[in-house]
Amino acid sequence: EPEVTQTPSHQVTQMGQEVILRCVPISNHLYFYWYRQILGQKVEFLVSFYNNEISEKSEIFDDQFSVERPDGSNFTLKIRSTKLEDSAMYFCASEMADTQYFGPGTRLTVL
Amino acid sequence: AQSVTQLGSHVSVSEGALVLLRCNYSSSVPPYLFWYVQYPNQGLQLLLKYTSAATLVKGINDFEAEFKKSETSFHLTKPSAHMSDAAEYFCAVSSLMDTGRRALTFGSGTRLQVQP
Repeated sequence: EPEVTQTPSHQVTQMGQEVILRCVPISNHLYFYWYRQILGQKVEFLVSFYNNEISEKSEIFDDQFSVERPDGSNFTLKIRSTKLEDSAMYFCASEMADTQYFGPGTRLTVL
Repeated sequence: AQSVTQLGSHVSVSEGALVLLRCNYSSSVPPYLFWYVQYPNQGLQLLLKYTSAATLVKGINDFEAEFKKSETSFHLTKPSAHMSDAAEYFCAVSSLMDTGRRALTFGSGTRLQVQP
């Protein structure tokens, strides 16, 4: 069964560094999302992406964040200058038939 | 705005007992509703979904949920708990965005423990 994959599974970085989280959505899906889950808190919507552009974004998704689909298969989330509060689990999802399928997540730890 | 409330952050049942996880939603438009399960150190796996068809929805592993518009509820049930059901369960509602696509708004989650 096709599934969403994410790399790396765990990323440790220093505050102020740039990180890129990678996702490979399910191949025939057209809508893609990023969510995050800070430890002990709710899963929160960050951004949605369709047809090579952002469809919607939440208040969390500020200028430090960006997304792109560089090669037709990968879907990336970049954080330009990480803060301590960016430490969280980041989930990618792709959508088909109004249902979002989630990847296993990338745990980002900012030191 | 959409919101989800999950009553009970922790629920403990005995193996073989009924599982009932509660979810209430708020939505200004007809909602799509979902239950996801998260096993330790894993991602979110779809259990079942309601998208305006039958109000009683059956999912994987014998879970089911009933959409009750009058009560704005979408409680998750399973007749007989199994040890492998121990996990965190998230209820989510779809928020209709300007583009017509739907971002998910999640509840806080309910951690299910199954006692032998």
